[in-house]
Amino acid sequence: GNSVTQMEGPVTLSEEAFLTINCTYTATGYPSLFWYVQYPGEGLQLLLKATKADDKGSNKGFEATYRKETTSFHLEKGSVQVSDSAVYFCALSDPLLSSNTGKLIFGQGTTLQVKP
Amino acid sequence: DSGVTQTPKHLITATGQRVTLRCSPRSGDLSVYWYQQSLDQGLQFLIQYYNGEERAKGNILERFSAQQFPDLHSELNLSSLELGDSALYFCASSPNRGPGNTIYFGEGSWLTVV
Repeated sequence: GNSVTQMEGPVTLSEEAFLTINCTYTATGYPSLFWYVQYPGEGLQLLLKATKADDKGSNKGFEATYRKETTSFHLEKGSVQVSDSAVYFCALSDPLLSSNTGKLIFGQGTTLQVKP
Repeated sequence: DSGVTQTPKHLITATGQRVTLRCSPRSGDLSVYWYQQSLDQGLQFLIQYYNGEERAKGNILERFSAQQFPDLHSELNLSSLELGDSALYFCASSPNRGPGNTIYFGEGSWLTVV
């Protein structure tokens, strides 16, 4: 079945360090891919998305490129801040049009802690 | 603010009891989703409704049920509660029912079963 695998956390970085959080997926067809972020005590917020191969989603300095050949959607940021400390979730949307559902399948989440 | 409203934000109840969680989707959104977030299971899809009809079902227990009303708000009913039902329950909404939609999440309802 469809699934998402994220790198295990926690990831601890110093401020201004480069961030990569790996995400790979298994799916039949061509899913849309998403990154959501959950700040402490809050709900999930959409960070970025990509709907087809080679698309790059970007927002707030974060980027991720939909790589069909490696079935990956790694999240990157060039210079992290303390305020980026949160849990990051990679997700895919069920790719089968016949299923006619927009439900998301999430990875297990990766905790990022940024130290000053 | 995503525009998805959930109540209550926090709830503490005893085992064996029943609770109802309420969700108002973003204005104009026809699809409502329910997710459960727990430490050991992560984010699990429970159920989706579209314009009042059940659209997809995930790992929802038989003790749980949901519905979407004509005004598009939704309720998740949890009965015969067990300690393991303690979790953060998210409601989310999207404009349509199909794949690729951006789904917007509420802030969640924290349920603690004691």
